[in-house]
Amino acid sequence: AQKITQTQPGMFVQEKEAVTLDCTYDTSDQSYGLFWYKQPSSGEMIFLIYQGSYDEQNATEGRYSLNFQKARKSANLVISASQLGDSAMYFCAMREAREFVGYQKVTFGIGTKLQVIP
Amino acid sequence: EAGVTQFPSHSVIEKGQTVTLRCDPISGHDNLYWYRRVMGKEIKFLLHFVKESKQDESGMPNNRFLAERTGGTYSTLKVQPAELEDSGVYFCASSPQGTTEAFFGQGTRLTVV
Repeated sequence: AQKITQTQPGMFVQEKEAVTLDCTYDTSDQSYGLFWYKQPSSGEMIFLIYQGSYDEQNATEGRYSLNFQKARKSANLVISASQLGDSAMYFCAMREAREFVGYQKVTFGIGTKLQVIP
Repeated sequence: EAGVTQFPSHSVIEKGQTVTLRCDPISGHDNLYWYRRVMGKEIKFLLHFVKESKQDESGMPNNRFLAERTGGTYSTLKVQPAELEDSGVYFCASSPQGTTEAFFGQGTRLTVV
């Protein structure tokens, strides 16, 4: 069974500083995908970034980058130059491998609440 | 383009009553998923539709939960009869075929009292 662990229930970061949100995972699949989602106070889940298990390079999307260390089974999210609007819950998630592309049964972590301080 | 829409946004019902949650996916998205987050716990997968067919319902907690997707468009999730432990936020997500990104709705917060 797949499992996602987020050990930081809450984090604070100064505006304009970088912050790393930790995520470790456990799976017996060779092929899998890792996601990060942001959930602001309004409630919707916003997709941030995706990393495939066979991707050689770490994924980046604007100020977001995923520090993928396969041997350590970690997929930390790095947010550079934090902004006040980054204050939200952040969820790490993993997708199971299936025969067809795009299958999205994901396992989520419990989340980390990030607060950006002015 | 409209995103994934869920109705209602909040629902408070008494134990033993029936509640139906609705999800309107993004138009053209064949895949539709239901997830649930119980307070303080992880978001858990409930089931997955491909068009009108249930592809995977391994996460459905018990037979008090019934999900349907009429004509491959909107989906409903009915809880009958509701129990206290059913309280939580129910998320719906949709995705087109062949992509890794799913789009989530804002969730329905269900409170059973």
